[in-house]
Amino acid sequence: ELKVEQNPLFLSMQEGKNYTIYCNYSTTSDRLYWYRQDPGKSLESLFVLLSNGAVKQEGRLMASLDTKARLSTLHITAAVHDLSATYFCAVDISSGSARQLTFGSGTQLTVLP
Amino acid sequence: KAGVTQTPRYLIKTRGQQVTLSCSPISGHRSVSWYQQTPGQGLQFLFEYFSETQRNKGNFPGRFSGRQFSNSRSEMNVSTLELGDSALYLCASSLDFDTQYFGPGTRLTVL
Repeated sequence: ELKVEQNPLFLSMQEGKNYTIYCNYSTTSDRLYWYRQDPGKSLESLFVLLSNGAVKQEGRLMASLDTKARLSTLHITAAVHDLSATYFCAVDISSGSARQLTFGSGTQLTVLP
Repeated sequence: KAGVTQTPRYLIKTRGQQVTLSCSPISGHRSVSWYQQTPGQGLQFLFEYFSETQRNKGNFPGRFSGRQFSNSRSEMNVSTLELGDSALYLCASSLDFDTQYFGPGTRLTVL
């Protein structure tokens, strides 16, 4: 059974600081997604990482994927309050005939002024 | 381009009742997946449909079922509701094996 572990689960950080969220998974996959969820809202797609070494950046967020280490990171640069949300990684273990994402537990990020 | 829509947005039912939730995918998307989100278990995969066929099913009891219509709209049904079925039910659509786009969810409360 695929296990997807995110850490930390809770993160409070000061505005302007940098931090990294980690997503470890237990089986082979070369496709991983990052989503953001605001309280009471649905999931918003942030990044899709499709191969080993993939790096994507959008604003203050940068995601990377190391398929050999089975690790993805979401790096936050110079955090601002608007980034406060819960962030999920999702590992895609879809096969040729079956689609399935397995989500991590989420990291609840609070950016403090 | 319109996003994924789900109806109803909120629902209150009592134990033993059944419920049907609806999901309209983004136009052109043929894959629809359903997830259950609870504070204790997080986001759990229920099932996925593609071109009216269930391609995959998560580890949920048979009380949870779904279907997809020829226009790619999907419904999920939960029979004999239990208190533990209270959750946010999320639908996601995609073209196929690519990024899933999520709807706003249906918040189900079972009393």
